[in-house]
Amino acid sequence: DAGVTQSPTHLIKTRGQQVTLRCSPKSGHDTVSWYQQALGQGPQFIFQYYEEEERQRGNFPDRFSGHQFPNYSSELNVNALLLGDSALYLCASSLRGAQPQHFGDGTRLSIL
Amino acid sequence: SQKIEQNSEALNIQEGKTATLTCNYTNYSPAYLQWYRQDPGRGPVFLLLIRENEKEKRKERLKVTFDTTLKQSLFHITASQPADSATYLCARRFSGGYNKLIFGAGTRLAVHP
Repeated sequence: DAGVTQSPTHLIKTRGQQVTLRCSPKSGHDTVSWYQQALGQGPQFIFQYYEEEERQRGNFPDRFSGHQFPNYSSELNVNALLLGDSALYLCASSLRGAQPQHFGDGTRLSIL
Repeated sequence: SQKIEQNSEALNIQEGKTATLTCNYTNYSPAYLQWYRQDPGRGPVFLLLIRENEKEKRKERLKVTFDTTLKQSLFHITASQPADSATYLCARRFSGGYNKLIFGAGTRLAVHP
């Protein structure tokens, strides 16, 4: 039974570029949430997708956008990258928003 | 605002002792609190969930308490082992819908042989 998978595992970009991160939820799950985790901090909620719609959003600018596909997989897009966007981006899945959420191992994004 | 506060200092203990980690929350009590374990370079792994009306919950060597008067949860690992060394995260559900989680910064636990 595959857990949450994220790709790529590592990514290096420069300021101003755009990036797309991908997530496949755990088998049987239909809700995907994205979190940003800076070094030494806890994960911060970015947004959540359910039934292909953004259901809730955290305190992140519009540069952060997402999408959910009919197979429940999801993408996180970040435009106009800033140095401060360097972080571990985590995807978590659940069934209809129930707890607990299951996390992937994240994508480590470094901005130069 | 709804916050989670965890002791940012690392906790160092001897193998075999009980580790106790603290999680304090602000504002009104969440419906539940969750504890996760995170190893370096990995995603958080769910350990335990305790609801507002539960005072204590156990799972093998783990025990969690929820004190709504003190606005605090304690996480205990009994008979600790070096393999328990990791960062432990406490999270609350954001009151206001869906299952958005608010995490603390985590406490790093180091268990020494």
